[in-house]
Amino acid sequence: GQQLNQSPQSMFIQEGEDVSMNCTSSSIFNTWLWYKQDPGEGPVLLIALYKAGELTSNGRLTAQFGITRKDSFLNISASIPSDVGIYFCAGSSYGGATNKLIFGTGTLLAVQP
Amino acid sequence: DTGVSQNPRHKITKRGQNVTFRCDPISEHNRLYWYRQTLGQGPEFLTYFQNEAQLEKSRLLSDRFSAERPKGSFSTLEIQRTEQGDSAMYLCASSLQGNYGYTFGSGTRLTVV
Repeated sequence: GQQLNQSPQSMFIQEGEDVSMNCTSSSIFNTWLWYKQDPGEGPVLLIALYKAGELTSNGRLTAQFGITRKDSFLNISASIPSDVGIYFCAGSSYGGATNKLIFGTGTLLAVQP
Repeated sequence: DTGVSQNPRHKITKRGQNVTFRCDPISEHNRLYWYRQTLGQGPEFLTYFQNEAQLEKSRLLSDRFSAERPKGSFSTLEIQRTEQGDSAMYLCASSLQGNYGYTFGSGTRLTVV
């Protein structure tokens, strides 16, 4: 099935560092979302974006809906050990009526105390 | 409400056997989704229901797979004649119509031996 291109594939950082990851699509989306998944659990919604150019924050997390509608970015500031996990972007195509999401391939984040 | 509940959490079955998974969505959510996630990949859409009606099925959902949502409440996903390639995490999610940020359950991990 179709998956979005997400980079980097993995990141190994020190506690306190800032993190950036991005997601690109070959087609236009009208909604972008970012999820975090812990091992053995389902994804948990972090941030939802509904408008091109939108910049939204949730605590130390900030995400942006790219103006081309084909990309999105997630930044995590001052990382802490509990930020460890896999981060997924997800998008929904323009005009879709199903709320069906297409997910990225994931970014594995490891934070060393 | 405690969120989306999936049972069982883990299932090991022999190739050729039938398996059935259950999902109990958040009670006020009228949309229910099934996704499949293999190791190292993001979730992939399988099917979704609005109330009791199954409105879309992915090509990933072969004729060995069937999903139901009687009375628009809980849902079941059945896999007949399981194959080793069916080994994956099966995720259920629910949402209100028009809300893309749906809530996932913890998933059922299927291992076919």
